[in-house]
Amino acid sequence: DADVTQTPRNRITKTGKRIMLECSQTKGHDRMYWYRQDPGLGLRLIYYSFDVKDINKGEISDGYSVSRQAQAKFSLSLESAIPNQTALYFCATSYTGELFFGEGSRLTVL
Amino acid sequence: GENVEQHPSTLSVQEGDSAVIKCTYSDSASNYFPWYKQELGKRPQLIIDIRSNVGEKKDQRIAVTLNKTAKHFSLHITETQPEDSAVYFCAASMAGYALNFGKGTSLLVTP
Repeated sequence: DADVTQTPRNRITKTGKRIMLECSQTKGHDRMYWYRQDPGLGLRLIYYSFDVKDINKGEISDGYSVSRQAQAKFSLSLESAIPNQTALYFCATSYTGELFFGEGSRLTVL
Repeated sequence: GENVEQHPSTLSVQEGDSAVIKCTYSDSASNYFPWYKQELGKRPQLIIDIRSNVGEKKDQRIAVTLNKTAKHFSLHITETQPEDSAVYFCAASMAGYALNFGKGTSLLVTP
C-alpha cells in the first residue's frame, strides 16, 4: 500500500546530528500521526495533527518536533539525535477511526 | 492521558486452539477500541474494532468483547492457524484524541 510513504526507510546517523523523517499521503486524510516502536514497548505516540493548523504532543514528544507542511505532508525532526532515539518510526493517517500506517523508518543513532 | 495495559506479552498455542488477549484501559471516556496485527517486518494493520455502544463484534474467526464497567476488552481468535502468528496490539481512544496502544502480544501458533 503506497498511500502512506515514509522517507528515508533506513537511516544511520551520529549523536548530535539533526534528522528529519518525512511522511506523505495520498489518502486525503486530515489526521496524521507519528509513532515510535521499540521492542516490548509497543507503539508510543510522539505527535499528532488533526488538520494543517493543528499540532498536538503525544506521550513522548521530548526531543522531537514536527511540521505539517500541507494536508498530505507531516515531518518529524530530531534536532540533536541521541542513541536512545534509535527505534522504528511509523507515520500513520486516519479519517476518523482506522489508522493507516506507512512502512516505517528505521533510525539508528550511534 | 489514557493508559492501556495488555496481557499476556507472549502467547503460544497449538494450531486449532483458541487464543485470547486481554486489555484494560484507564479513562472511562474512551469509546473506540481497535486491534492491530503486525506481521514480522510489516506495518500494523487493523483487524477488528469496536465502539463503546457495542458489547461484542465478530468477523469470521476473530471476535472482540468489551466490558465498559470493568474497562477491559479482549480479542478472541478461534481455530488458530500458523498465519495468525504475529504481534497483536490493542488500543483505545476518546473522541477527538489519538490512539494509545498497549505494549503488544507476540502470538505463536505451532503446527
